[in-house]
Amino acid sequence: DAGVTQSPTHLIKTRGQQVTLRCSPKSGHDTVSWYQQALGQGPQFIFQYYEEEERQRGNFPDRFSGHQFPNYSSELNVNALLLGDSALYLCASRVSGTGSADTQYFGPGTRLTVL
Amino acid sequence: AQTVTQSQPEMSVQEAETVTLSCTYDTSESDYYLFWYKQPPSRQMILVIRQEAYKQQNATENRFSVNFQKAAKSFSLKISDSQLGDAAMYFCAYVSTYAGGTSYGKLTFGQGTILTVHP
Repeated sequence: DAGVTQSPTHLIKTRGQQVTLRCSPKSGHDTVSWYQQALGQGPQFIFQYYEEEERQRGNFPDRFSGHQFPNYSSELNVNALLLGDSALYLCASRVSGTGSADTQYFGPGTRLTVL
Repeated sequence: AQTVTQSQPEMSVQEAETVTLSCTYDTSESDYYLFWYKQPPSRQMILVIRQEAYKQQNATENRFSVNFQKAAKSFSLKISDSQLGDAAMYFCAYVSTYAGGTSYGKLTFGQGTILTVHP
């Protein structure tokens, strides 16, 4: 049973550039969430996608956008990169609906460094 | 808005001993889950244990157990017979299970507790 996968593992960009991160959910999962984790901090919720639509959004600027594809995989796009965007970006997936489906499983993350 | 607080930035324990990590949360909702996640240096966030708020019985997973005090909004993690592989950053997290709310499905994390296990 494949878990959540993310690519790339590491990424280095310069200020002002744009970046795309990718996530494939755990088998059987249809809902994907993205989190930003600064060094030494807890993850912060960016947004959640279900049925190819953004369903929930955290307190992040419009420079952060996403997409979900029919196969449930997802992309996180960040435009006009700032130094402060340097972080570990985590993808989590779950099954839609309530009950035990509310448990989210995480991928290994993408480490983004903005120079 | 929901908040999660972990007041212990660092904890240490001797191998084979027991350690308890603390977590408090604040919410006005009645339907939610609480989690403990473990994040070793490899960065992978691993689910340790889950507690449904409507259940009075404390969750247990092998050496890991929780003390869930709903009225006090407290959710501590006890690790028994600590092992070197338990060394990691531990995060307490909250999620609303009220599908009609604006926080549904959004995990809120605490600041984390670094656990060191001494041989």
